Amino acid sequence: AQTVTQSQPEMSVQEAETVTLSCTYDTSENNYYLFWYKQPPSRQMILVIRQEAYKQQNATENRFSVNFQKAAKSFSLKISDSQLGDTAMYFCAFSDSNTGKLIFGQGTTLQVKP
Amino acid sequence: NAGVTQTPKFQVLKTGQSMTLQCAQDMNHNSMYWYRQDPGMGLRLIYYSASEGTTDKGEVPNGYNVSRLNKREFSLRLESAAPSQTSVYFCASSGPFRATNEKLFFGSGTQLSVL
Repeated sequence: AQTVTQSQPEMSVQEAETVTLSCTYDTSENNYYLFWYKQPPSRQMILVIRQEAYKQQNATENRFSVNFQKAAKSFSLKISDSQLGDTAMYFCAFSDSNTGKLIFGQGTTLQVKP
Repeated sequence: NAGVTQTPKFQVLKTGQSMTLQCAQDMNHNSMYWYRQDPGMGLRLIYYSASEGTTDKGEVPNGYNVSRLNKREFSLRLESAAPSQTSVYFCASSGPFRATNEKLFFGSGTQLSVL
């Protein structure tokens, strides 16, 4: 069975600095998708970034980028120039190609300090 | 543009009571999902529906039932609530099933407490 592991329950970063959130996953599939979702205190789930496993190039979305290491089954999220609005819980997720459902990690709570 | 609407937003039940969480989406999505979120455990899939008329169990289906009433609506029922079902529940939807690059659209969540 596929699993997603986020080993950092909580992290903090100073405003304007860079922080990296870790995620590892386990699968025997070759083609799949990985996602990072953000959940601010409002509880809304917001898609941050998406990576296709067959693409070697790491995905980027403005200040958010990923470091995708397929062989190591690692998918970390880098947030550059952190802003107070980045304070949230971040979830890594793996898309099961057999069922189409998302499997989530445990989440990392990120606090951006002024 | 409503997206995914789930009701109620908050609910308190006594052990043994029943209730139904309602979910509707207006994006003509085929797939719908129910997740529960617990501290330290992320989101865990309860049930999902790949298309109208079909439902399948997820990771934690025990104690729940679902109904895909039509393409728009997917309800979650607790027949006899237990304190272990205290959680935040999210409904979500996505486009064509097996389109694994599809993002999920989430409702705003239901905070359920079972006393």
